[in-house]
Amino acid sequence: DSGVTQTPKHLITATGQRVTLRCSPRSGDLSVYWYQQSLDQGLQFLIQYYNGEERAKGNILERFSAQQFPDLHSELNLSSLELGDSALYFCASSDPGQSAEAFFGQGTRLTVV
Amino acid sequence: GDSVTQMEGPVTLSEEAFLTINCTYTATGYPSLFWYVQYPGEGLQLLLKATKADDKGSNKGFEATYRKETTSFHLEKGSVQVSDSAVYFCALSRFKAAGNKLTFGGGTRVLVKP
Repeated sequence: DSGVTQTPKHLITATGQRVTLRCSPRSGDLSVYWYQQSLDQGLQFLIQYYNGEERAKGNILERFSAQQFPDLHSELNLSSLELGDSALYFCASSDPGQSAEAFFGQGTRLTVV
Repeated sequence: GDSVTQMEGPVTLSEEAFLTINCTYTATGYPSLFWYVQYPGEGLQLLLKATKADDKGSNKGFEATYRKETTSFHLEKGSVQVSDSAVYFCALSRFKAAGNKLTFGGGTRVLVKP
């Protein structure tokens, strides 16, 4: 158990809809990262938050947004969903160290039909 | 930009065989290097890491040495077990004030047969 909790584990939704994925980081970790794992794109970094502020952005679509709340949990919002958004979405957390490794949740599998 | 290249799989081995998965990287400066493992239906788990040149990371019989001269971080295990069947990801991270996002290779699926 990594200590990172993601909900829900599975999500099936229709094209055009909006969903919210939730992540609770390990106790004490201030950084939260979101990654997308798909068959064609591999593991792609989407966005990072540190103590409530956006710190880095990767290949995140404009239809996607995220935030980190005062209790440090984070949500990834995906809107106007397309079939190609079907993927495994991982959240990871780390503490602010120079070589601190990231701890990953078990992921949310999103299927858009 | 940063990138990680690792050998494509799948790699199929018999139990007790020797495993090598090649990984090379492109990055400026001195990144930290990682191997993550993903077992079926699970998230990614850190397998081992190395933070500077010539460091050797090791865990559960797996080893990898940070070779700056060849920009490589190859994963090895001397005798694999069926339970080592998984997807292995090589990754790098460069510390910035903004944080330590990971850049991953494409993953290598390993299947160990009894």
